[in-house]
Amino acid sequence: AQKVTQAQTEISVVEKEDVTLDCVYETRDTTYYLFWYKQPPSGELVFLIRRNSFDEQNEISGRYSWNFQKSTSSFNFTITASQVVDSAVYFCALSEVETGANNLFFGTGTRLTVIP
Amino acid sequence: NAGVTQTPKFRVLKTGQSMTLLCAQDMNHEYMYWYRQDPGMGLRLIHYSVGEGTTAKGEVPDGYNVSRLKKQNFLLGLESAAPSQTSVYFCASSYFLAANEQFFGPGTRLTVL
Repeated sequence: AQKVTQAQTEISVVEKEDVTLDCVYETRDTTYYLFWYKQPPSGELVFLIRRNSFDEQNEISGRYSWNFQKSTSSFNFTITASQVVDSAVYFCALSEVETGANNLFFGTGTRLTVIP
Repeated sequence: NAGVTQTPKFRVLKTGQSMTLLCAQDMNHEYMYWYRQDPGMGLRLIHYSVGEGTTAKGEVPDGYNVSRLKKQNFLLGLESAAPSQTSVYFCASSYFLAANEQFFGPGTRLTVL
């Protein structure tokens, strides 16, 4: 079974629109970490955020915000006032501290295209 | 600091050929990882290492071998390349557990004909 599901394969928005990327995860661990990584067209993966399972506070960093809800096993990522530079593939990932401390499970990614 | 570097950036192999991908990091990280990225599959862990001289299998280890003779280097070998190994390979490192932020290299695009 897929541990991390990103149901949106591709999303296109017009510049300045807000966009939310969905991430649903599955784990039996009580201690785990969730991540978002960005992969721009250049190909490298860029770390955006890490959240542990005991901290459900939402986080905002500039135009980026993250909504972590354990009740629905979701860790969604919102970009406000999108820009062309936000065009990239975004990956959500899960690290299970108790059962899989040495593995990072990635979702299949969401390709975001911001149209000028 | 160079971070994580990978050599080579591109490679084309014929079926049955062998090659080694080199990953180097200058952050003194204990943990290093090799992933492959295929269209529609995300990244999948091939092998990882929790320290110099130790390696372990990840999710998709078949057809690959690894070595970590020095803390800063992690080598990925293909003994007999197959077309199914056509992929983009990423190396990453982290300070201890995978639960910590992983720093990724730029990737190696490998094509096996």
